[in-house]
This record gives sequence, structure tokens and C-alpha cells, in this order.
Amino acid sequence: AQKVTQAQTEISVVEKEDVTLDCVYETRDTTYYLFWYKQPPSGELVFLIRRNSFDEQNEISGRYSWNFQKSTSSFNFTITASQVVDSAVYFCALSEPRGYGGATNKLIFGTGTLLAVQP
Amino acid sequence: ETGVTQTPRHLVMGMTNKKSLKCEQHLGHNAMYWYKQSAKKPLELMFVYSLEERVENNSVPSRFSPECPNSSHLFLHLHTLQPEDSALYLCASSQDRVGGTTDTQYFGPGTRLTVL
Repeated sequence: AQKVTQAQTEISVVEKEDVTLDCVYETRDTTYYLFWYKQPPSGELVFLIRRNSFDEQNEISGRYSWNFQKSTSSFNFTITASQVVDSAVYFCALSEPRGYGGATNKLIFGTGTLLAVQP
Repeated sequence: ETGVTQTPRHLVMGMTNKKSLKCEQHLGHNAMYWYKQSAKKPLELMFVYSLEERVENNSVPSRFSPECPNSSHLFLHLHTLQPEDSALYLCASSQDRVGGTTDTQYFGPGTRLTVL
């Protein structure tokens, strides 16, 4: 069955610390997509990254980096030199197989990790 | 307006009221979604519309009634709700590609609903 596990419920760091948010997924598909979203206190889910299962290259975008390892079914997210504005709930998500139940583009979300960055 | 917009942002209603939530996407997408986010629970997918047809209804009670008049607009009509329906209701849109890739869903800011 498809599943996303974000074992860290809450993380608290002090500004300028590096922090890694873990995401472990389960799927029987060979083709799938993984996503990270950020949900600040305002409520909107902000898209951060989409990665397909054939692209295991790590990605860096400014202070954000992602480590995709198919061997361990993990897609971890690291924030370097964290800032107070990074405080939010972060969700990892996995695409459901196309054709499942007739719907497309369905995502399976983890339960989220609340990141609190203290000044 | 850009992205996905939702109105109202906050709504307080009694159990006997009828209200509607509105979502509009300005991204040219052809699929729209309603999600419910309750405290301490994962996001729950409620409805999916693709090309204005409902393709998913995840056992949602009939007191929630979606409507998708065109690919840019999505409504959620609410009637005789219960206090446990209080939650953040999020709308999202994406480009549904038949036989293709899973495209990114872009979310609106949500409507914070409180049922008294």
C-alpha cells in the first residue's frame, strides 16, 4: 500500500542551525512522484519541489536541499542556516498510481513536521 | 488575481445554516480538488474534478455538496453541518494529463470554517 511517514512531529531549532526533515515512503510502483509542501501559519500549502522516481539527483535551491534515495525509500529535506520565516508545517507527499480508483493526480500526504525556528 | 484564490477566508456558521465556499484558479488547469484539514489529522481528499466531471468522492457526507461549473471555478455547498466539520478547507488545482505524468497541485489559502 502507498504510505508516507514523517516520523518527526515537531522540531525546534535556533536560527542559523541546519535542520533535516525526514520523509520515508512506501509504494509498489516503479514510476511515482514525490513532493514537499510548506504550510505557514497563514494556512496555504506552498509547493516546494516535485521529483520523479527516475531522477535521483539531489537538488539544491538556495538554502533548501533535497536528498532522494530510492534504496532507502527516503526523500529528506534540509534547510541550511534556518531563519524564523522557515517556521511552518512541512508536508511530504507521494503520487498515487494513475488509474487507481479512476482518479488521477491524487497525492498521499504525510502527517507533517512542525518546524519552529527560534530567534 | 494569480494562483488559486478562496473565499471567504473565515466562516462561522450555525448547524442549520447553508453556506458556500468558493475557489477560483487562474492557472489554466483542468483539475480541481477539495481537501479537509482538521487539527492533528492528515489532509483528507474530499472531491476531485477533472474536466469539470467529478472523478472522486471519498465517502464524504451528503451535507457537503461540490459544484464545478467550469474548469476555473469550484464550489463547496454546506448545509446542516456538525461541529466536527470545523476545519480548514483547502482547494487545489493541477493540470491533468491523460496517461502522462502526475502534475503538481497548487493550493489556495484555505477557508477556516467554524461550526457552532
